[in-house]
Amino acid sequence: GAGVSQSPSNKVTEKGKDVELRCDPISGHTALYWYRQSLGQGLEFLIYFQGNSAPDKSGLPSDRFSAERTGGSVSTLTIQRTQQEDSAVYLCASSPRAADSWEQYFGPGTRLTVT
Amino acid sequence: GQQVMQIPQYQHVQEGEDFTTYCNSSTTLSNIQWYKQRPGGHPVFLIQLVKSGEVKKQKRLTFQFGEAKKNSSLHITATQTTDVGTYFCAGNHGSSNTGKLIFGQGTTLQVKP
Repeated sequence: GAGVSQSPSNKVTEKGKDVELRCDPISGHTALYWYRQSLGQGLEFLIYFQGNSAPDKSGLPSDRFSAERTGGSVSTLTIQRTQQEDSAVYLCASSPRAADSWEQYFGPGTRLTVT
Repeated sequence: GQQVMQIPQYQHVQEGEDFTTYCNSSTTLSNIQWYKQRPGGHPVFLIQLVKSGEVKKQKRLTFQFGEAKKNSSLHITATQTTDVGTYFCAGNHGSSNTGKLIFGQGTTLQVKP
């Protein structure tokens, strides 16, 4: 079946501009996550959606970052007034949350470059 | 705050040698997961460990979860060039499984043929 998809795959933007990154999770997965990965680094948790519960936003680095998940499916991560330090690969993952199985399925990521 | 430390950061081995990466948490984990990220790729789920002292094997890979549920290891026997990549552990903290994972920084494995 189809995996997690993300768009765009690459985004180059000027400092100060806003960007929107999209994630389409695997159909039926109730949990959705956003991570940020800088070159050669680990995964930095940003935000987590689970069903109809309030999202866990504890990882968002500043108020310039926000995310929505519409209809329990597609999610959009918005970065306002982008800064050069925002340059990274933004990864989305979804999870079925079936019983005790919480494995996450990652999308290919969006590589964001802020010039 | 909650942290997951992973060592070593890098490991270079000759093909056929064994490899081990270690993961340590500052707090007790409800479960731990392992992921592999190939160069230029995205993380791919390998396995989840839940029980104290649990050991699971996948062909040449052996995963262990410590008795105190604060540490874990991944051991690869007789590495192959296909094992190249970065291995991440990721822990779910606390007594309940909330789904939110804290990732270690990863161990990047290079295998010389």
